[in-house]
Amino acid sequence: EAGVTQFPSHSVIEKGQTVTLRCDPISGHDNLYWYRRVMGKEIKFLLHFVKESKQDESGMPNNRFLAERTGGTYSTLKVQPAELEDSGVYFCASSQGRGSYGYTFGSGTRLTVV
Amino acid sequence: GNSVTQMEGPVTLSEEAFLTINCTYTATGYPSLFWYVQYPGEGLQLLLKATKADDKGSNKGFEATYRKETTSFHLEKGSVQVSDSAVYFCALSVARDSWGKLQFGAGTQVVVTP
Repeated sequence: EAGVTQFPSHSVIEKGQTVTLRCDPISGHDNLYWYRRVMGKEIKFLLHFVKESKQDESGMPNNRFLAERTGGTYSTLKVQPAELEDSGVYFCASSQGRGSYGYTFGSGTRLTVV
Repeated sequence: GNSVTQMEGPVTLSEEAFLTINCTYTATGYPSLFWYVQYPGEGLQLLLKATKADDKGSNKGFEATYRKETTSFHLEKGSVQVSDSAVYFCALSVARDSWGKLQFGAGTQVVVTP
């Protein structure tokens, strides 16, 4: 079975620009999570989709971040406009059931804002 | 709130040395505990988990025991290999109220030299 796919793997953009990250979960996984790791610190939860609905978006840092999950399949995370502090690695994960045990993570998108 | 504290890295070891990475936590409720590993260029992988006090998780020669009295979940391996070089993350989830949301520590980079 294909894993969780994220792209791009790397993105370098200038402050003020817009970037869209994409995550393709494992087929059939209803739960999709976004996390990010900033500057070697802890990995922090951003939000959680169940199918196309946002179950929990308590970790979204501000309204410059917009996440969508079209038709309950792939998800996008848009940052507009990007700021320097948005630099980090953005991870996506999916699971079939509720709970952490069945998580599969993607390899992440490294975002650098200059 | 929930938090995870793990020892800072990098930890540099010679092959066949003993590895310990300390992890302590605070949680509201009864957490499940996890160790994730990120090998260079790859995504996060679940290394091992424990869901209740005194449980021992083990995988690939790594072990960690859920110690409720000391709120700890230290990772150990008796004889490391170069291929164990990676970043290790301790994490918890309080399933009752989080839909599987993970709280991570800051990660500990481990470098094993031949």
